[in-house]
Amino acid sequence: RKEVEQDPGPFNVPEGATVAFNCTYSNSASQSFFWYRQDCRKEPKLLMSVYSSGNEDGRFTAQLNRASQYISLLIRDSKLSDSATYLCVVNPTDKLIFGTGTRLQVFP
Amino acid sequence: NAGVTQTPKFQVLKTGQSMTLQCAQDMNHNSMYWYRQDPGMGLRLIYYSASEGTTDKGEVPNGYNVSRLNKREFSLRLESAAPSQTSVYFCASSEFYRTENTEAFFGQGTRLTVV
Repeated sequence: RKEVEQDPGPFNVPEGATVAFNCTYSNSASQSFFWYRQDCRKEPKLLMSVYSSGNEDGRFTAQLNRASQYISLLIRDSKLSDSATYLCVVNPTDKLIFGTGTRLQVFP
Repeated sequence: NAGVTQTPKFQVLKTGQSMTLQCAQDMNHNSMYWYRQDPGMGLRLIYYSASEGTTDKGEVPNGYNVSRLNKREFSLRLESAAPSQTSVYFCASSEFYRTENTEAFFGQGTRLTVV
């Protein structure tokens, strides 16, 4: 079983839609959690950290459920510019482990 | 702001050749990482260095070696390249692990083809 698992998608949604991505992790000792965004053929960049109490940044909301070892990302009012791959990242011990990513395509 | 600088950006090798990918960061980060990214596989950790003077294997270390030359630099060496090592390689650094605010910064990647 992979340490971090995501649905690879793709998710094809119209502009304005709400879309949710899920991620599960296997190491219960993991301490930090993140969502990264990666555009085609570019390096990943931090979208947002995921805090224990959940957190929101504009149209983006991240949730963490430690008991179920589950992380989610909700994007409201999708824009064309949100089209990208979203990577779930977990920090067990002293390394960063990436999920395979979920591809989002927003269409007009 | 340079951030994380990787060289080269592109490389074609013949099977059996060796090469070193260079990575340097100017953010005074403790931790540095090497990943490879293949279609449908996401980023897989090759090696990492939690602090200057230490290196550890990640998920896919076979066929690679690393050197943490100093706090700024972390190089990845392919001693005898194989076609299976054709991939995009990313170097990354972060301030400190185990905090919610640790952000990893990535280099622009090296696109390596082994023929």
